[in-house]
Amino acid sequence: DAGVTQSPTHLIKTRGQQVTLRCSPKSGHDTVSWYQQALGQGPQFIFQYYEEEERQRGNFPDRFSGHQFPNYSSELNVNALLLGDSALYLCASSEASEQFFGPGTRLTVL
Amino acid sequence: DAKTTQPNSMESNEEEPVHLPCNHSTISGTDYIHWYRQLPSQGPEYVIHGLTSNVNNRMASLAIAEDRKSSTLILHRATLRDAAVYYCICSKAAGNKLTFGGGTRVLVKP
Repeated sequence: DAGVTQSPTHLIKTRGQQVTLRCSPKSGHDTVSWYQQALGQGPQFIFQYYEEEERQRGNFPDRFSGHQFPNYSSELNVNALLLGDSALYLCASSEASEQFFGPGTRLTVL
Repeated sequence: DAKTTQPNSMESNEEEPVHLPCNHSTISGTDYIHWYRQLPSQGPEYVIHGLTSNVNNRMASLAIAEDRKSSTLILHRATLRDAAVYYCICSKAAGNKLTFGGGTRVLVKP
């Protein structure tokens, strides 16, 4: 089992651009959550997807959107990138009592 | 979700126990107490969780106060690999969103 995988590993964009990050959950997991982690801080919850629907959402603007596919994989889209969007973006899939996190995508906005 | 308060950092010697405190005075009766840790350059990793009773697993023990307003994560014999940021999180359900605080950075000295 490969666990939670994310792509790409690193990404550099400029202000105003759009970005798509991808996540494949652990085998058998149907719930995917996305988190943003700024340098030196704890992860902040963006949203969670279950059965292809957004189930919960954190305090993030509409520029942040997502999608879950029938195979449970997920995408995070961020439009009109700002310098402050530079962060590590983490994906987690869950089963019962645990959330399993991927290694993250490091996004740098210049 | 209830706010949690943890010390910013703690130091321990290798092979000695580490006791990590967490205060969650506004915890509700249905909130679980979760502990995750994040090793350098990795996504967070589940450590343990509990509701009312003390819990043990292969990684650690969780001691929950009788009034549930505080808890302590116990690493029985710290190794260098246990150097990480440890997050205490209160959440309504096991697979629910996780609200991370600043966590406790644990340094293990050889």
